[in-house]
Amino acid sequence: SQELEQSPQSLIVQEGKNLTINCTSSKTLYGLYWYKQKYGEGLIFLMMLQKGGEEKSHEKITAKLDEKKQQSSLHITASQPSHAGTYLCGADKSNFGNEKLTFGTGTRLTIIP
Amino acid sequence: NAGVTQTPKFQVLKTGQSMTLQCAQDMNHEYMSWYRQDPGMGLRLIHYSVGAGITDQGEVPNGYNVSRSTTEDFPLRLLSAAPSQTSVYFCASSYTRDRVNSPLHFGNGTRLTVT
Repeated sequence: SQELEQSPQSLIVQEGKNLTINCTSSKTLYGLYWYKQKYGEGLIFLMMLQKGGEEKSHEKITAKLDEKKQQSSLHITASQPSHAGTYLCGADKSNFGNEKLTFGTGTRLTIIP
Repeated sequence: NAGVTQTPKFQVLKTGQSMTLQCAQDMNHEYMSWYRQDPGMGLRLIHYSVGAGITDQGEVPNGYNVSRSTTEDFPLRLLSAAPSQTSVYFCASSYTRDRVNSPLHFGNGTRLTVT
């Protein structure tokens, strides 16, 4: 069974619109990572959250971790074609740090001009 | 720095053949790992290493071997390929297991097809 659920699985958004991607775990997380993947390429690190209620931003992307540390959201403001790709959340569920990350299945984002 | 380099990019094998997927990093990272990515399954950890001479199993280790004789290299061996091993394989590395200061760096992947 998938231990990290991402929603939606895919998203088509008109350029300039805002969007949100969610990542949910049934267990409390020690750390939550967001990565972006372009087709045929590896994963690019975006942000890491580890404290309940934590929020981080980078350019037009904001990630939040809820107080219970079981759900995270990734919000993109005023989307651009460069935001297109697959977004994956990864989680440290056993306090092993980077050693044993669990990943969600990803959200494929398409930006329509 | 080249980062994490994986070779080959594409490979087709016949059932029963063996091969080695290469992974090298030039960032002096202690920690390296191998993941496989399958549709609907996300990335799953195969094997990982916290330093030269030390390896351990991840979530899906069966059918794969690894060794870590140097800090830079972490090859993944398929001893007898099976169609179930058709996947995209990613190698990743980081300085340490410290989640705050050392996120994973990923290679661009090896797309393997076993017929």
